[in-house]
Amino acid sequence: DQQVKQNSPSLSVQEGRISILNCDYTNSMFDYFLWYKKYPAEGPTFLISISSIKDKNEDGRFTVFLNKSAKHLSLHIVPSQPGDSAVYFCAASNSGNTPLVFGKGTRLSVIA
Amino acid sequence: KAGVTQTPRYLIKTRGQQVTLSCSPISGHRSVSWYQQTPGQGLQFLFEYFSETQRNKGNFPGRFSGRQFSNSRSEMNVSTLELGDSALYLCASHAGPSTDTQYFGPGTRLTVL
Repeated sequence: DQQVKQNSPSLSVQEGRISILNCDYTNSMFDYFLWYKKYPAEGPTFLISISSIKDKNEDGRFTVFLNKSAKHLSLHIVPSQPGDSAVYFCAASNSGNTPLVFGKGTRLSVIA
Repeated sequence: KAGVTQTPRYLIKTRGQQVTLSCSPISGHRSVSWYQQTPGQGLQFLFEYFSETQRNKGNFPGRFSGRQFSNSRSEMNVSTLELGDSALYLCASHAGPSTDTQYFGPGTRLTVL
């Protein structure tokens, strides 16, 4: 049973526009959420996180929104740049020191 | 500060063999988590070690095992390799709990023929 779902395997966006990547989760015990970015031949790198006490967290061009009632989070990238082209993974955990559970990833292509 | 090191980067084995992968975490980090990434499956958690003790284990068969040494370096072993074990094996280093930011190594690409 997949507890963290990224239903869009891929997304194409024009440079300068907004990229919105979505993630749904089923486990109501999750209270900490993260986004990682992965380039080919490299390990994932941490982007941004949010805890369940917040509904929004911003870091530069990246904003994560959390809707607990819908068990949904999204990552907004504004403006999108060609260097943002990568696979983005959503991950979730609960603060009881359980392992991170990752989604299958969304491949973002930013077209110049 | 040196990053996470994984060796070897690439490995080709045949079915039935066994393999050992190594991970050196960031200096000062005491936790290491291992993940398997296969096409279309995302990152699946294998196990987590903290101060030489396995703290969490994922849903993988007993052929997959690991350990951590006193210097925090970790190894994972896969015995009796199967074709389906072909994957990218990623190691992540973190200071403490799994909710701490995890810093990933470049991975070891294992191909089983």
